[in-house]
Amino acid sequence: EAEVAQSPRYKITEKSQAVAFWCDPISGHATLYWYRQILGQGPELLVQFQDESVVDDSQLPKDRFSAERLKGVDSTLKIQPAELGDSAMYLCASSHLQGSIEAFFGQGTRLTVV
Amino acid sequence: AQSVAQPEDQVNVAEGNPLTVKCTYSVSGNPYLFWYVQYPNRGLQFLLKYITGDNLVKGSYGFEAEFNKSQTSFHLKKPSALVSDSALYFCAVRAGGSYIPTFGRGTSLIVHP
Repeated sequence: EAEVAQSPRYKITEKSQAVAFWCDPISGHATLYWYRQILGQGPELLVQFQDESVVDDSQLPKDRFSAERLKGVDSTLKIQPAELGDSAMYLCASSHLQGSIEAFFGQGTRLTVV
Repeated sequence: AQSVAQPEDQVNVAEGNPLTVKCTYSVSGNPYLFWYVQYPNRGLQFLLKYITGDNLVKGSYGFEAEFNKSQTSFHLKKPSALVSDSALYFCAVRAGGSYIPTFGRGTSLIVHP
């Protein structure tokens, strides 16, 4: 069964350092999402891609966060510099079409900033 | 704007008993509604969805949900709970004209043996 792959599963970094997460969506899925899930809360959308283009990044803190999907396949989310409040689960999801009903989620990257 | 409310942080139920996890929503236009389940340190797994048609939707692992337009609710139900159902459950909504779902805060379901 096809899955959304994310790495690393866990990341511990010191504040002010740079950190990057990688996501490989299900093959053929044009839409890719990055979500942030703070402990005890639901996922919040950070950025949505349609192929290589950003559809929505209104909730992405652009002073420190960046995301790219250069070839319209896999994607990288970067934080520089990391802050203590960035500690969260970062979830990647993909769907076949922008209008597809449900998205398929990866296992996430658990980030701890110390 | 669209929003989801899950009024219960935690639901406790005995194994074998029926369970209900509540969800209400607010959206302009026709809603697309979803339930996801999350096990510890895992991503979200899709359970079921409502788009249109029959108000009772059946999904994975014996779960079902009932869409009630007048009450703007989409409660998740299961006739007989299992200990293995213990997890976090998230309700999500998106408007028909939007591609971005909004998630609720989640409800922790604990099924006691």
